[in-house]
Amino acid sequence: GAGVSQTPSNKVTEKGKYVELRCDPISGHTALYWYRQSLGQGPEFLIYFQGTGAADDSGLPNDRFFAVRPEGSVSTLKIQRTERGDSAVYLCASSLNGYGYTFGSGTRLTVV
Amino acid sequence: KQEVTQIPAALSVPEGENLVLNCSFTDSAIYNLQWFRQDPGKGLTSLLLIQSSQREQTSGRLNASLDKSSGRSTLYIAASQPGDSATYLCARLTGANSKLTFGKGITLSVRP
Repeated sequence: GAGVSQTPSNKVTEKGKYVELRCDPISGHTALYWYRQSLGQGPEFLIYFQGTGAADDSGLPNDRFFAVRPEGSVSTLKIQRTERGDSAVYLCASSLNGYGYTFGSGTRLTVV
Repeated sequence: KQEVTQIPAALSVPEGENLVLNCSFTDSAIYNLQWFRQDPGKGLTSLLLIQSSQREQTSGRLNASLDKSSGRSTLYIAASQPGDSATYLCARLTGANSKLTFGKGITLSVRP
């Protein structure tokens, strides 16, 4: 596609539920990144994919968070047993060669 | 710890003023530095990217500079307009396909 697409744009879920957030990167971009942005903060790195594999998952806060990119394009960020502290905007970015990054509009997750 | 600092957190200026937004980073190992704009409730829009071999980049009324030796980058906005009101974030990349490290951003308000 022309840009990075993230769905849904907004997600409200109850504490303890499971959620999936989707990112569709720019076609042909091999690198894909997930970031999380809390109110008043800059985005914080979660995980980076190069192709299908997670090249760096050091930013995932705990084992409730998991991400996949099975075919090297679309990625899904999965959060189990959601907690109120997981509420944030989850941003996805893709890059062709690591030179510049294009971000999606984000998914605003609210855990009530 | 690799940190990116943006001070002040907020800035209010009258329309027409030229202004400089500052960004400093603690690690001189830099691959490139990217400035982003974020409107309320939106994702990130890339403004300018400066490679480590470059000193500055210009786009319209925007000029970004990079001084690796002092660990600083500045974003210069000429003849500011109310439409420039947004949060401006800088992010540093230490290597190709490595993660972006963001500052917390500067929220700019341009008064008509």
